[in-house]
Amino acid sequence: DIQMTQSPSSLSASVGDRVTITCRASQGVSNSLAWYQQKPGKAPKLLLYAASRLESGVPSRFSGSGSGTDYTLTISSLQPEDFAIYYCQQYYTTLTTFGQGTKVEIK
Amino acid sequence: EVQLVESGGGLVQPGRSLRLSCTTSGFTFGDYAMGWVRQAPGKGLEWVGFIRSNAYGGTTEYAASVKGRFTISRDDSKSIAYLQMNSLKTEDTAVYYCTRVPGSYLFYFDYWGQGTLVTVSS
Repeated sequence: DIQMTQSPSSLSASVGDRVTITCRASQGVSNSLAWYQQKPGKAPKLLLYAASRLESGVPSRFSGSGSGTDYTLTISSLQPEDFAIYYCQQYYTTLTTFGQGTKVEIK
Repeated sequence: EVQLVESGGGLVQPGRSLRLSCTTSGFTFGDYAMGWVRQAPGKGLEWVGFIRSNAYGGTTEYAASVKGRFTISRDDSKSIAYLQMNSLKTEDTAVYYCTRVPGSYLFYFDYWGQGTLVTVSS
């Protein structure tokens, strides 16, 4: 199985900050990479797919980039509603796998 | 509006069985693959399995942790997906989410249900 490692595991940031979360795959996943946001007690929500394609309805402050094994999720200006846990997922292989999550907390 | 609603969760003893249902609406169910993802208390997301649409054979794939014990099926006439869980273990305790797969071979998840809690305990 492809292992997905996110960094950092958690971070503290202020409203208006630029935030970057990294996801590294144990082998190349050819941009078959999705990002999700999960708030407490709620189901995850798809933010981006194909590494950089924004899901319909998702604010443009969210963006994704990367290639090969290394991908990033960037929030250009953190908003109060963005405090949550973020997960990456590779779907390059049928046996899809998630990263362990990155918790974004209020500083 | 796309909706996925899970049901069937609850408390079950180790070794017993449970069947979850995912009732859907707002889209043409038969055109989509459907998946299940679980989340143990306080933990991250773990893919459980998915079932392709009948146009792609209705075949299934499972995570190693549940293969041979869990079975996913679908009833396109009712727009429902099922997760049959047998030989349950305490480590299967989790919230189980039903998910929609937007493409036939690109297995990410664009819609999620609210989840149903399965607790395996004696």
